[in-house]
Amino acid sequence: SQTIHQWPATLVQPVGSPLSLECTVEGTSNPNLYWYRQAAGRGLQLLFYSVGIGQISSEVPQNLSASRPQDRQFILSSKKLLLSDSGFYLCAWSETGGRYGELFFGEGSRLTVL
Amino acid sequence: AQSVTQPDIHITVSEGASLELRCNYSYGATPYLFWYVQSPGQGHQLLLKYFSGDTLVQGIKGFEAEFKRSQSSFNLRKPSVHWSDAAEYFCAVGDGGYQKVTFGIGTKLQVIP
Repeated sequence: SQTIHQWPATLVQPVGSPLSLECTVEGTSNPNLYWYRQAAGRGLQLLFYSVGIGQISSEVPQNLSASRPQDRQFILSSKKLLLSDSGFYLCAWSETGGRYGELFFGEGSRLTVL
Repeated sequence: AQSVTQPDIHITVSEGASLELRCNYSYGATPYLFWYVQSPGQGHQLLLKYFSGDTLVQGIKGFEAEFKRSQSSFNLRKPSVHWSDAAEYFCAVGDGGYQKVTFGIGTKLQVIP
């Protein structure tokens, strides 16, 4: 069966420090991968999505970047964190094949920037 | 650009009453539509989805949704709400080719006895 792992679960970082959140999917190949940020009153904001290795689509101009160095690995990064980057980050995956399937979400990463 | 509007941020209903959560989407072609639920302390779970065909879609937990192209809506309904339905509900739209899935801001449902 397929599983998705996201880490770290909780992170407290000072302003200006770098960030790396990692997401790995197991049990499937060539998944679509997504990074969302969830905030009260803003729902799930799509940050990045990827349909293949090295293919990243950015939805929101911001201080963050994403990379997909391997088929089932998706990384969210920042070189210098801002206070406004605090939030709950969710990684998700779905099957490819031209039709939409269910999005499967990771456990989430709570980022606090101080 | 595709978008989703959920006009009700917070809804309170009595247990046993009927429920309708509103969702309006914006997309230039035939949309792919979803409803997800996030129960307290839980992750997001798919309730139902619409791709094509019958515009009335049945989902899990007794939920259904109706796609109305003329109104650009995909409202979620349940005839009788249970206390365990208290959660946050998200409507989402997917584009036809690029696998991009956009969510609304969510509707928080409170169920009172």
